[in-house]
Amino acid sequence: EAQVTQNPRYLITVTGKKLTVTCSQNMNHEYMSWYRQDPGLGLRQIYYSMNVEVTDKGDVPEGYKVSRKEKRNFPLILESPSPNQTSLYFCASSPLDGYSNQPQHFGDGTRLSIL
Amino acid sequence: AQKITQTQPGMFVQEKEAVTLDCTYDTSDQSYGLFWYKQPSSGEMIFLIYQGSYDEQNATEGRYSLNFQKARKSANLVISASQLGDSAMYFCAMREVRNFNKFYFGSGTKLNVKP
Repeated sequence: EAQVTQNPRYLITVTGKKLTVTCSQNMNHEYMSWYRQDPGLGLRQIYYSMNVEVTDKGDVPEGYKVSRKEKRNFPLILESPSPNQTSLYFCASSPLDGYSNQPQHFGDGTRLSIL
Repeated sequence: AQKITQTQPGMFVQEKEAVTLDCTYDTSDQSYGLFWYKQPSSGEMIFLIYQGSYDEQNATEGRYSLNFQKARKSANLVISASQLGDSAMYFCAMREVRNFNKFYFGSGTKLNVKP
């Protein structure tokens, strides 16, 4: 089954304790992206990647890191989490064909609480 | 400036009636895609419909249609014959092909279908 898998689904942690949210897709998609969703703000892009070793900042990259060492994986790293990073996070992937018509496939989301 | 604007935070519609969810966008890119996603209370993001900037006809997918007015930069979603299961959050999104394939989402519209 074609899917984007995020782990963990839920995490409660404390300020300053490094954490990683994993994302893996099995569709051989070139494009992968991370979003955070906050009430009233919709989804905002954190980082995206157009292929292995190619990553770029979205609209809200501060406090986050990513890596793309393999095509299927795109982990999100919070080196020193703070309470303002409490949010619902989505990973998404899509093919990249030079056109604009490819929708993104989303993971089920990770609800992150930073105390 | 906001790339995607959804001016209706919440809407009600009677079951079996049609409803229009508004979306306006801002881009200088000639090649872009417009997407609508549905997010039920369970949280997953479900792709509904796509409209390309070069498409001359309005997109349709079952009960969903997209009223695309390029000169006005609007891409309203029309849901015909509303069902109780249509109650959800709806997000309009845009992909700019030349702008490194960045994705932008609106703040969403919460639709409630009344029996």
